[in-house]
Amino acid sequence: GEQVEQRPPHLSVPEGDSAVIICTYTDSATAYFYWYKQEPGAGLQLLMSVFSNVDRKEEQGLTVLLNKKDKQLSLNLTAAHPGDSAVYFCAVRNTGYQNFYFGKGTSLTVIP
Amino acid sequence: DAGVTQTPRHEVAEKGQTIILKCEPVSGHNDLFWYRQTKIQGLELLSYFRSKSLMEDGGAFKDRFKAEMLNSSFSTLKIQPTEPKDSAVYLCASSSLGGRYAEQFFGPGTRLTVL
Repeated sequence: GEQVEQRPPHLSVPEGDSAVIICTYTDSATAYFYWYKQEPGAGLQLLMSVFSNVDRKEEQGLTVLLNKKDKQLSLNLTAAHPGDSAVYFCAVRNTGYQNFYFGKGTSLTVIP
Repeated sequence: DAGVTQTPRHEVAEKGQTIILKCEPVSGHNDLFWYRQTKIQGLELLSYFRSKSLMEDGGAFKDRFKAEMLNSSFSTLKIQPTEPKDSAVYLCASSSLGGRYAEQFFGPGTRLTVL
């Protein structure tokens, strides 16, 4: 079955710096890719969804890169601010199959 | 539109008790998921319903965990009997087959502590 590895598990960056989180997956049939943010005591909030025909997607200070050859997905937070401090999860899904496979999460701390 | 709602937000149970967690999906969503979240294991799928039919029951969780979808707008997760290792956050999510990406939308979770 699909395996999703996420790194790093913990990340601290000064305010204004970039933060990069990387996920790798194993199934070449994986077609949908998601990034979620979880703040303390809350559920997972969807940040961005990407289909496999896209290599790069940017929205509101977030950049998602998809490298299908290396089966790698990354999230880049440009100019991070303290409000970005949270746990971030990647998730992937195959076409026609509703189950998501999640990474184990990255705890991001943005230092003021 | 209301998002996914879960009740209660916190639950404390004694070992051996029966507890029932509740979830209301986003109106019109066909799929409903129950997950258990722990720091060690991350998110683990407990159950998956499509249009009220159980599609997946998360194998390892069969014996004491039972999810039901009584109607398209309400689901319960029963844990019977509870054990201390069940202490975790239980998340409910829903999605729509008609959505472009079929994203899952999550509720705030129920934090369960079993003493």
